[in-house]
Formats: sequence, C-alpha cells, structure tokens
Amino acid sequence: QQPVQSPQAVILREGEDAVINCSSSKALYSVHWYRQKHGEAPVFLMILLKGGEQKGHEKISASFNEKKQQSSLYLTASQLSYSGTYFCGTEMADSWGKLQFGAGTQVVVTP
Amino acid sequence: DAGITQSPRHKVTETGTPVTLRCHQTENHRYMYWYRQDPGHGLRLIHYSYGVKDTDKGEVSDGYSVSRSKTEDFLLTLESATSSQTSVYFCATRAETYGYTFGSGTRLTVV
Repeated sequence: QQPVQSPQAVILREGEDAVINCSSSKALYSVHWYRQKHGEAPVFLMILLKGGEQKGHEKISASFNEKKQQSSLYLTASQLSYSGTYFCGTEMADSWGKLQFGAGTQVVVTP
Repeated sequence: DAGITQSPRHKVTETGTPVTLRCHQTENHRYMYWYRQDPGHGLRLIHYSYGVKDTDKGEVSDGYSVSRSKTEDFLLTLESATSSQTSVYFCATRAETYGYTFGSGTRLTVV
C-alpha cells in the first residue's frame, strides 16, 4: 500500500525551513528518502531503519516514529539546490527489499 | 561513475510490438528493480530480482516480464506494447540495508 506524503507541494525562500511527512498504515522495516530533479533520476538521500539506525546524506536530517509508522524529512536553512521532488519509500517488515513510493512532494526554493 | 546504465534512453514503438529494455550494473549488487514513473503516481514497482534467475512481481506487473541470466543484467520486456505503457522506466540496484541507485531512465512512447 502506497505511503501518504504531505504536503503535495511547498514553496520556500532561501534560508527557510520545511518539513515533509510520510506515513504508512503497515508496520515498517525502513523508510527511504529520495530527491528527484526535473528530467533526472531520483537520488538517494537517507535510509532510516527500525531500531534507530540512519544512513545517508550528511546535511539532511529525518526522523522515524516506529510506533506511528511515520517519518519526517527536515529541510533546514534551505538552499536553491534543495529544489526538486522528494519521495519517501517504505519497506515493510514482511517484504524486505521492496520499496513502495509515495506520490512525492514538490519543493521550490526561491531566491 | 556509470555504475548502472539503461538502454535505450528513448524509444518510440508501435502498439502491439514487443519491446525490451536493458539495465546493466557494475556494482555486483544482488538486488535489481524495474519501476515506472507516471505523473501523479510516483514510482511504481513492476518487477524485481534478488539474484540470478530469481525474480518476483511488483504492484504493476501485468503485461511485463523480466529476465536475469547474469548478476549485471536485468531485462524488462513489454510483451505487446500498449499506449498505457507509455512511461518513464527506471532501473535501480541496491546494496544490502542501503538505498537504491537509479539508472538514468528510459522514456518509452507507444503510438
């Protein structure tokens, strides 16, 4: 079942902060975050594993609430390069290896 | 670094013809995936592979088949192309407990 992302879109000025949320109705093993720029492939940002381990981008932060099956991605002090569409991907405990992606959140950072 | 390459990058084909897309990786990753991306739907899993000759269906597998005879190659075949299969197709690989690496994508148009 596809995870639900919110908001669908956000417009920021450079230096502002934003939060993107991802929620699932099923028990999760991990949550992934990716960023895709127009016409390009998605790029891996971070994986958050059940149990608290995180791996990925040094300048991106995220959280994973295992009890609520929710994750949030924090864009802090946004830069123009943060513009793009952000996708969360959820991996369920009973189907390791397969990601289901949310519909995406479009982020536009303006000068 | 060209760890994962897709071919062709663009293809136009006629309804009813078979089409094969190729994904080649040099990372020796065990897991490989085929996704399609359509506006409003995010990325949807077509098929995936967890080893040579080991494949399984994703959420939108009807009309598609795959083969993996070598670790480095994962082929996606549209058995009889339809207009609904017009899409951007992404191949991805994965190292264990880490994120996906996506290929550059194949833009397929079925006329």
